[in-house]
Amino acid sequence: GESVGLHLPTLSVQEGDNSIINCAYSNSASDYFIWYKQESGKGPQFIIDIRSNMDKRQGQRVTVLLNKTVKHLSLQIAATQPGDSAVYFCARGAAGNKLTFGGGTRVLVKP
Amino acid sequence: DVKVTQSSRYLVKRTGEKVFLECVQDMDHENMFWYRQDPGLGLRLIYFSYDVKMKEKGDIPEGYSVSREKKERFSLILESASTNQTSMYLCASSNFYRGYYGYTFGSGTRLTVV
Repeated sequence: GESVGLHLPTLSVQEGDNSIINCAYSNSASDYFIWYKQESGKGPQFIIDIRSNMDKRQGQRVTVLLNKTVKHLSLQIAATQPGDSAVYFCARGAAGNKLTFGGGTRVLVKP
Repeated sequence: DVKVTQSSRYLVKRTGEKVFLECVQDMDHENMFWYRQDPGLGLRLIYFSYDVKMKEKGDIPEGYSVSREKKERFSLILESASTNQTSMYLCASSNFYRGYYGYTFGSGTRLTVV
């Protein structure tokens, strides 16, 4: 069945270093992928999206890479800051309106 | 700034009680969703609605029902609360924008059933 999974439940990173959060998916019929960030006590917030016909998309300090061959998605955060500490979710969207979410990766930024 | 507002941040209810979780959005979005969030399980879809008075089951609808009498409001109902329904509940709304449906989430309601 459909699934969107994350490789690591927790990622600890030194402030200033780059973070890489990974996500695998099993269903090839995906139109787009979205990364969300959830800070403590808040709902998930949109970070960046990428369509299935793209390999890479960049935002402010974030880059998403999509490898359709191995069904793998990653979010790279450059120069990680304390404010980046949160849980990050990948989500897959296909025809229709529902997103399928991964289990989440907690990023802890060490000072 | 667009908003999805959940009426309660924290709720404590007794087993067997009927519980109402309310969600209101001010973006005139067509679609609304209820998810529950549990550690290690991610976000699981309970129910969603594409339009007023329309509802469809998600992945885990058992023990829940919903109501959407107005476009801006989507209520989740626990008919008889049980301890395994202790969880974080997230409401979201979406519309078609830039070729896809992006969600806007509320801040969540943390429900404890004792």
